[in-house]
Amino acid sequence: EVQLVQSGAQLKKPGESLKISCKAYGYSFIGYWIAWVRQVPGSGLEYMGVIHPTDSDTKYTPSFQGQVTFSADKSITTVYLQWTSLKASDTAIYFCVRVEDYGHFQFWGPGTLVTVSS
Amino acid sequence: EIVMTQSPATLSVSPGERATLSCRASQSVSNYVAWYQQRRGQAPRVLIYNTSTRATGVPARFSGSGSGTEFTLTISSLQSEDFAVYYCQQYSNWPSRTFGQGTRLDIK
Repeated sequence: EVQLVQSGAQLKKPGESLKISCKAYGYSFIGYWIAWVRQVPGSGLEYMGVIHPTDSDTKYTPSFQGQVTFSADKSITTVYLQWTSLKASDTAIYFCVRVEDYGHFQFWGPGTLVTVSS
Repeated sequence: EIVMTQSPATLSVSPGERATLSCRASQSVSNYVAWYQQRRGQAPRVLIYNTSTRATGVPARFSGSGSGTEFTLTISSLQSEDFAVYYCQQYSNWPSRTFGQGTRLDIK
């Protein structure tokens, strides 16, 4: 069974760093791109970009370029989303999701709630 | 960037009735459109991809149609579990993907 298991909720202060994870189970990890999607509470879905676990090739949307970093460790079938200096506006739920061959998003993680507050 | 515009923002429908949700792309996306359902407190779930292909396990009351810039999700007979938020998404040009702003389907 394909599963994406995400790390737990985080409460951080502005300026702090953070790395959240998404661990894949049940399929060939290196065969699929993984996307990250942001959802501010009460708002819609925002596509942040993708990473390929084979070589950590990454593609960011312009809104998120330079604001976050994607990484991957194929030895433990895990991808990461990282911030070096959080802002209050980063408060959101972050989903990882597998990108299917056609290009749509099939298997979603449950999301990680990141709250940034002083 | 391709902009996806959904209408209406909120749709109130009675159980057992039909619901029709619309999505318009700012330029042609061929048939590369998916629809997702998001229930409160849950991750999104894909319902339809490639405009009209139902994902595994999705009931037949969900159907998708359209091409180019105009797309529709139809739910033929609403069940209680269908009241949720629905998003369309285009994936016509790699790696670009954009979502519509969502349509909330409420019980009338």
